[in-house]
Amino acid sequence: DSGVTQTPKHLITATGQRVTLRCSPRSGDLSVYWYQQSLDQGLQFLIQYYNGEERAKGNILERFSAQQFPDLHSELNLSSLELGDSALYFCASSPGLSYEQYFGPGTRLTVT
Amino acid sequence: DAKTTQPPSMDCAEGRAANLPCNHSTISGNEYVYWYRQIHSQGPQYIIHGLKNNETNEMASLIITEDRKSSTLILPHATLRDTAVYYCIVILKHSGGYQKVTFGTGTKLQVIP
Repeated sequence: DSGVTQTPKHLITATGQRVTLRCSPRSGDLSVYWYQQSLDQGLQFLIQYYNGEERAKGNILERFSAQQFPDLHSELNLSSLELGDSALYFCASSPGLSYEQYFGPGTRLTVT
Repeated sequence: DAKTTQPPSMDCAEGRAANLPCNHSTISGNEYVYWYRQIHSQGPQYIIHGLKNNETNEMASLIITEDRKSSTLILPHATLRDTAVYYCIVILKHSGGYQKVTFGTGTKLQVIP
């Protein structure tokens, strides 16, 4: 158990819908990262937040957005969902800007 | 960020050492080498990292060549539970600035009984 929690574990929704994935980092960690992993694909970095501020952006679609709240939990919002958005979404946290990241168990999103 | 090259798959007999290579020939002087692994569809797990010296922890050893263009992750006594995809990534640590992390497709290690 890494100490990072993600909810929900599984999510099934229809095309065109909007969903919110939630992540609670390890106690004391200020950085939160989001990744997408499609079937048999590597981990694609989406975005990083540090203490509430966006610090790095990867290949995140415009339909996706994220934020980190004052209590340091983070949410990833996915809108206008397409079939291709079906994937595992991982959240990770680290104490600072270093890259010893601790990953959560992931949210499996299925878009039908 | 420097890119890395890893073999797509490797086999290792249970109880033997697993040596996983990684090429990072374009690494710059202030970039670290990090290793993670992902068991089935679980969240990736941090293993070890290093800059230029060899490193060892309870999970593995990391050997970085003197020119830093390649490295090897060593699992000294592989068990079936070490079957996973192993990712080698290069990161500019403590930069405070923009970073784009690429995990790549890693090496799928199969430990054979």
